[in-house]
Amino acid sequence: NAGVTQTPKFRILKIGQSMTLQCTQDMNHNYMYWYRQDPGMGLKLIYYSVGAGITDKGEVPNGYNVSRSTTEDFPLRLELAAPSQTSVYFCASSTLAGDYTGELFFGEGSRLTVL
Amino acid sequence: GENVEQHPSTLSVQEGDSAVIKCTYSDSASNYFPWYKQELGKGPQLIIDIRSNVGEKKDQRIAVTLNKTAKHFSLHITETQPEDSAVYFCAASKGGTSYGKLTFGQGTILTVHP
Repeated sequence: NAGVTQTPKFRILKIGQSMTLQCTQDMNHNYMYWYRQDPGMGLKLIYYSVGAGITDKGEVPNGYNVSRSTTEDFPLRLELAAPSQTSVYFCASSTLAGDYTGELFFGEGSRLTVL
Repeated sequence: GENVEQHPSTLSVQEGDSAVIKCTYSDSASNYFPWYKQELGKGPQLIIDIRSNVGEKKDQRIAVTLNKTAKHFSLHITETQPEDSAVYFCAASKGGTSYGKLTFGQGTILTVHP
């Protein structure tokens, strides 16, 4: 299993541009999340999904949108990029089944810089 | 909402020493407390977690303690090794279907000197 895969790993955007961060998981997990990590800070939840077709806001959703059309994919859309969105973005998935209840499986992150 | 405070922000120890990282939380409804380790350039990885019906949990050199009354929990690493060097995050959530809706602490950079 590849686990959670994020693309791209690095991206530089100009102010006002838009882009989509891709996330896919092959563990058949129902739950998926997007977190952002600013320098010297902990991770903050942007959006999450409990299954295909269901998404909800986290702590810092402004400026972002998500969709969940399949169990595997959970893309994060940035509209009108702003310097405040410069961060490292982590996608994660989890399940409530079996021995892994509660554990988040993270991707390796996507580093975004907005200039 | 929940607020998680983590201390210290940096911790430097000699190989073989113990390391302790402490966290406090504000929401008494939180009942799930995981610890994640993040190595450079990688995503966080769960190392141990504890639920509010348990006061202490151990896994080899790692242990976590929870004091619900005081709303604090701690990570203890014994016999530290250079490969323990990383950033450690504590977190809290309300558990159940909200397990993954974590509020993270600010992180502790642990350096283990050979």
